[in-house]
Amino acid sequence: AQSVTQPDIHITVSEGASLELRCNYSYGATPYLFWYVQSPGQGLQLLLKYFSGDTLVQGIKGFEAEFKRSQSSFNLRKPSVHWSDAAEYFCAAKLGGYNKLIFGAGTRLAVHP
Amino acid sequence: ETGVTQTPRHLVMGMTNKKSLKCEQHLGHNAMYWYKQSAKKPLELMFVYNFKEQTENNSVPSRFSPECPNSSHLFLHLHTLQPEDSALYLCASSLDREKGQPQHFGDGTRLSIL
Repeated sequence: AQSVTQPDIHITVSEGASLELRCNYSYGATPYLFWYVQSPGQGLQLLLKYFSGDTLVQGIKGFEAEFKRSQSSFNLRKPSVHWSDAAEYFCAAKLGGYNKLIFGAGTRLAVHP
Repeated sequence: ETGVTQTPRHLVMGMTNKKSLKCEQHLGHNAMYWYKQSAKKPLELMFVYNFKEQTENNSVPSRFSPECPNSSHLFLHLHTLQPEDSALYLCASSLDREKGQPQHFGDGTRLSIL
């Protein structure tokens, strides 16, 4: 079955530290991949997406993600975290030609001053 | 006005009430979605509409009734809800004529059932 796994439920980092959030997918073919962020009381905002081509994609708010086919992974990274990055992050995937988006369970990020 | 707008932002209702959630998108998208987000549970896809036609009903109880009069508007009619229906209800839209397009989300309606 198609699935998206985010192994870390909670992550805490210090402000200014680097961040990596993990995401693994299980699909028969390479899906389209997305990262969303959700701040408290708000909806999901798209950070970045991977369709094809360059495996390192840049997104908004200084985030980037790297697609690794051999590991079925699409990890989100940021070199220096800001307190405002505290939120919940969702990885999602879908196959082309079909509009059902499958979400991971989310990773809640806390940032210490 | 751009983006996906949901109203109301908060709704408190009794189990015997009837209410409706509204979603409107100004992005020119053709597909619209309802999701349920409960605490400590993954996002649950409820309904999908494509060009006003329902293409997916994810085994949602009949006390939730969607309506999509056109590609810009989506409603979720609620009646005789249960306490476990308290959640954040998110609407999303996408341009599904092109493969792999992302979904754009509204800020949700926080629903509390008394």
